[in-house]
Amino acid sequence: DIVMTQTPLSLPVTLGQPASISCRSSQSLVHSDGNTYLSWLQQRPGQPPRLLIYKISNRFSGVPDRFSGSGAGTDFTLKISRVEAEDVGVYYCMQATQLTWTFGQGTKVEIK
Amino acid sequence: QVQLVQSGAEVKKPGASVKLSCKASGYTFTSYYMHWVRQAPGQGLEWMGMIYPNGGSTSYAQKLQGRVTMTRDTSTSTIYMELSSLRSEDTALYYCVRDNSAFDIWGQGTMVTVSS
Repeated sequence: DIVMTQTPLSLPVTLGQPASISCRSSQSLVHSDGNTYLSWLQQRPGQPPRLLIYKISNRFSGVPDRFSGSGAGTDFTLKISRVEAEDVGVYYCMQATQLTWTFGQGTKVEIK
Repeated sequence: QVQLVQSGAEVKKPGASVKLSCKASGYTFTSYYMHWVRQAPGQGLEWMGMIYPNGGSTSYAQKLQGRVTMTRDTSTSTIYMELSSLRSEDTALYYCVRDNSAFDIWGQGTMVTVSS
């Protein structure tokens, strides 16, 4: 199975400051159809996960534009341009390739 | 609106089975793959398997092969996940999820507690 490795696992941030989370896959995520099905999810405390970004860099409906995704191949990044209080939670990258779906370990974002 | 509504919490003894349901509404049920994902207390997300409501084809995580069965009822737009031979490590929050090239819609989750 493809292993997804996130860094850091804990990210204390100051309100209004940027934040960045890295996700690396153990093999290329380029699907046979040419797409790269790398997504980012946010899980606020006590809630189900919520889709933020799909296919590397596409923001899902209703997601604020302070969230952005980038990367290619095996290295991907989620950036928050200016962290707000409501951004506290755990962020997961996930991949869908070759009929397998795997998640990163999660990165806990908290306010300093 | 598009939503997935899951069945209520379950408490089971080790060795028993549990069958969870997830009712879809607000979209064409047979057009999207559906997945089950679980989350043990304080832990990350684990993919369990998927079902394609149009035809019922399935694919399961290797770790759960032989213990998990996913089915669907197109007349009620509902998918089911049955997990057998329960053990304490199966205690978790279980989510159903719609796949629209990404996991875009999540159910509210069903807590399953396995305890003697």
